[in-house]
Amino acid sequence: KAGVTQTPRYLIKTRGQQVTLSCSPISGHRSVSWYQQTPGQGLQFLFEYFSETQRNKGNFPGRFSGRQFSNSRSEMNVSTLELGDSALYLCASSLGQANQPQHFGDGTRLSIL
Amino acid sequence: QQPVQSPQAVILREGEDAVINCSSSKALYSVHWYRQKHGEAPIFLMILLKGGEQKGHDKISASFNEKKQQSSLYLTASQLSYSGTYFCGTVAGSRLTFGEGTQLTVNP
Repeated sequence: KAGVTQTPRYLIKTRGQQVTLSCSPISGHRSVSWYQQTPGQGLQFLFEYFSETQRNKGNFPGRFSGRQFSNSRSEMNVSTLELGDSALYLCASSLGQANQPQHFGDGTRLSIL
Repeated sequence: QQPVQSPQAVILREGEDAVINCSSSKALYSVHWYRQKHGEAPIFLMILLKGGEQKGHDKISASFNEKKQQSSLYLTASQLSYSGTYFCGTVAGSRLTFGEGTQLTVNP
């Protein structure tokens, strides 16, 4: 069974640009969650999608948005990039019921110049 | 609300034991544990669903004290492969909130 796939693995952008990250979940998983990881900050929850609907949202500004398609693939978009957005962005998929294990992708390393 | 993990870091020699604690100011109904090695994705270790429940995998086990709103992860006879950052996570609805992590280093 293929794991969670995130593309691209690395991305370099400049301030003010926007970026779209992609996540393909494990086959059969309907829930996709996104996290931002920075040194010393741990894993900060961005949002979670289930069956194309956002079920939960973290405390991030509106510049961070996402969506999920009918095949459960998800995208995350960040507009008007700031230097502080430099981070590892991880997505995780699960079956979607409460207390199911989350399976993480390798992440997209975003660097803002 | 983010759970609090302690210690922030621990260094062990191979074969030694370690305990990582995770506590919450809110009522806990379940606790997740994950491990992340440097440069890799977090890997699921276990979920504890009931108060008092203890689970184990190989020489890594965990307990969950619902009354005290805390969970502890026990690493027994640590191996080099145990090195990494351990995260606990608490669930509210469909949101999994992770602690800041405990960096565990096992030296030969």
